[in-house]
Order: sequence, then C-alpha cells, then structure tokens
Amino acid sequence: AQSVTQLDSQVPVFEEAPVELRCNYSSSVSVYLFWYVQYPNQGLQLLLKYLSGSTLVKGINGFEAEFNKSQTSFHLRKPSVHISDTAEYFCAVSDLGGGGNKLTFGTGTQLKVEL
Amino acid sequence: EPEVTQTPSHQVTQMGQEVILRCVPISNHLYFYWYRQILGQKVEFLVSFYNNEISEKSEIFDDQFSVERPDGSNFTLKIRSTKLEDSAMYFCASNLDTTFGEKLFFGSGTQLSVL
Repeated sequence: AQSVTQLDSQVPVFEEAPVELRCNYSSSVSVYLFWYVQYPNQGLQLLLKYLSGSTLVKGINGFEAEFNKSQTSFHLRKPSVHISDTAEYFCAVSDLGGGGNKLTFGTGTQLKVEL
Repeated sequence: EPEVTQTPSHQVTQMGQEVILRCVPISNHLYFYWYRQILGQKVEFLVSFYNNEISEKSEIFDDQFSVERPDGSNFTLKIRSTKLEDSAMYFCASNLDTTFGEKLFFGSGTQLSVL
C-alpha cells in the first residue's frame, strides 16, 4: 500500500517570494510521482510528474519538483510566485503496475499568495 | 486543451434517494475513472473502467455504487441509496492509455450534498 503525506495544509506567501510545498510518500515498490493543481471551481490539472531519469522535474507555470529517494520526498518549488498561483496543490503517487492511473493523493496544500 | 465535462456542478439529494453523476470524457480516451474528495480529506480513488467493464475498484465502491458507459460519450456514476457520508466532490477522469504514467485528465467535479 502507498500513502502520501502533505504536512502543510496551508502555506501563505507574498507575491514574488519563493515557495516550497512538501510531499513525502511511502511505498514498498517503485512509484510514479505527481503534482496536481486545483484552481477554484476547476478540475485537477497535472503540474508535473516524475517517472524516471533526472530527479529534478520541471513542470508548467515555472514549478519544479525534486525526487529524493532516500528521503522519500517529492517537494514542489517555485522561485517566485504570482497571485495567480493561489490554488490547492495535491501530491500523488502511483505504483508502476498501475501505470499512473490509480493515484493515491495527499490531503492537499492550499497555497495563498498575497500582495 | 480538451476537457472532461461533468454535470451537474452541484447536486443536492435526500438521504436514501438514487443519484446519477454524469461525465463526458475526452472523445478518444479509453480509460475512465471516478475519484471523490470528502471535505477536508484526501482525493480517493473509487473505480476505473475500460472496455465496458470495471478494471479496478476500491473498498469504498460497494454495492451501492455502479458505473456505466451507456453510449459512446457519457460515463456515469450511480449511487443507489445515498447516505449522509456520500456527501463529497466527485471527480471524473479519463486518459488514452495506461503506459508510463500517462496523464489523467480530470473534470471540474460534481459537489454532491446528501441531506
């Protein structure tokens, strides 16, 4: 079984400041890792994913995440946030057998960007 | 970008009533899913559907739940006799195939309130 922990339920940050949203996972097998974003009144959109290869993954809207196998982490970062980044961010995992379809999500982190 | 469409956006029903949530996946996709999110909790996998049959389901997906693809475009989730604890946001998702962490496309969700 897999699980995902997002320790921060809310992260307030000022515009143009850097941000890191933390994600830790546990799994007995190798996994795919994902970050999804949910803007108000919209569905979940894929920000980025790690399947294999380089541990630093770049996604849309200037976000990136680093896979750290020894720490079982996949933290999401952005060097300078914008008001429009205000949204709920979900980390998710899927084992390789599931092909990235049966996702196990974390509880989400609400990023609130303030002026 | 193509979209997964869900209707209605909000549904209110009385406990014990049947409810059908509707989804139109992306037209060339082959794999379909339902996820749900109870307020304040994780997004949880309910069921996956391929080739007109359920390919996987979670413990949540008991006999009260059923899915159907009644025609070439719609994908529905039926709850036979709703309970208070069924109140949640229900997300439909689809993708083209299941290889290498293929991206899931999510709809904007149906907020189900059981009174």
